[in-house]
Amino acid sequence: GENVEQHPSTLSVQEGDSAVIKCTYSDSASNYFPWYKQELGKGPQLIIDIRSNVGEKKDQRIAVTLNKTAKHFSLHITETQPEDSAVYFCAAMGRVVNKYIFGTGTRLKVLA
Amino acid sequence: DAGITQSPRHKVTETGTPVTLRCHQTENHRYMYWYRQDPEHGLRLIHYSYGVKDTDKGEVSDGYSVSRSKTEDFLLTLESATSSQTSVYFCAISESGHLTFGSGTRLTVV
Repeated sequence: GENVEQHPSTLSVQEGDSAVIKCTYSDSASNYFPWYKQELGKGPQLIIDIRSNVGEKKDQRIAVTLNKTAKHFSLHITETQPEDSAVYFCAAMGRVVNKYIFGTGTRLKVLA
Repeated sequence: DAGITQSPRHKVTETGTPVTLRCHQTENHRYMYWYRQDPEHGLRLIHYSYGVKDTDKGEVSDGYSVSRSKTEDFLLTLESATSSQTSVYFCAISESGHLTFGSGTRLTVV
């Protein structure tokens, strides 16, 4: 079945450094890849997304890259700040429109 | 933001009892979803709905049923709760091409 793998499961970085989270998807028909941030006690919130016709997208300190050939996409956070500490999820929308499969999450800790 | 309300926010129930979780939205969105979140598995889709009385199974549907008799309400029922169903349950709607999540229901089955 459809699957999304996410790595690493935990990531600690010093404040100001960059963080990279990687995901791989199995369904070659996937065409939409959102990233979500979940703070403690809350539901996940969309932070950035990318569609399959685009290779990279940036929004201030965050960016997402997509390699369709290799079927992987990555989240890049630059100049990390303590408030970036959270759990991050990648997801892919596959053959079934509006059906999303999530990765297992990455717990990011930004050390002051 | 779509108004998504999940109820209850917390529940403790005994093994073998039926439990129903409710998701209510205020903006008439067609697609609604139920996910469960567990530390080792992340977010997994239980069931989703693409309209009134139109539902389909997700990755982990065994032991769960859903109903959508009105656009605004999507109910998740654990037919006979088991300890393996202890989890945080999130409802979501599809809005402008992406998911918007509710605040979650923490369910403990003892």
